[in-house]
Amino acid sequence: EAAVTQSPRNKVAVTGGKVTLSCNQTNNHNNMYWYRQDTGHGLRLIHYSYGAGSTEKGDIPDGYKASRPSQENFSLILELATPSQTSVYFCASGGGRTYEQYFGPGTRLTVL
Amino acid sequence: QQKVQQSPESLTVSEGAMASLNCTFSDGTSNNFRWYRQHSAKGLEVLVSIFSDGEKEEGRFTAHLNRANLHVSLHIREPQPSDSAVYLCAVSDDTNAYKVIFGKGTHLHVLP
Repeated sequence: EAAVTQSPRNKVAVTGGKVTLSCNQTNNHNNMYWYRQDTGHGLRLIHYSYGAGSTEKGDIPDGYKASRPSQENFSLILELATPSQTSVYFCASGGGRTYEQYFGPGTRLTVL
Repeated sequence: QQKVQQSPESLTVSEGAMASLNCTFSDGTSNNFRWYRQHSAKGLEVLVSIFSDGEKEEGRFTAHLNRANLHVSLHIREPQPSDSAVYLCAVSDDTNAYKVIFGKGTHLHVLP
């Protein structure tokens, strides 16, 4: 079954620490996305990718880096985590004529 | 920039009664509209996609699009308690499919 998976599902980090969130898709989609979801803001795009080797800034990229080493994998990296980055993070893959996006189950990140 | 607003913020209906959710957008040139459902702390699942004015039905879910009125709605026929979730409207266009704007969602509660 085609799917988007994320790891870890839950993460507690300390301020100033490095955090890496991983995403894997078996949909064979070219496009992948990282969003964060916060109460009052809805879903906001952090980074996206057109394919292996590419990363592009979304609407709120500050404090985040992304890496797309292969078609299947897309990582979000917080080099120096801050409490304001406490959120739920969703990865999605998309493609096809209508660019429909398929979402992973989310990662709940808490930065203390 | 495209703005997407959903109403109401919260809706309570009885099992079996029709549920109607609204979404307004600011840029009528968009041509990709989707409704997603998100159960508590879980990923998003797409319910229905619509690309031209009129109606699109997927099972118990029907979307109505009127781009002249900058409005897309979702109607849920015979809602069940398991339909209790947050419903998100998403708007994009073919010229920039990476730029998907999400509404903040409507919390639907279906009472048994």
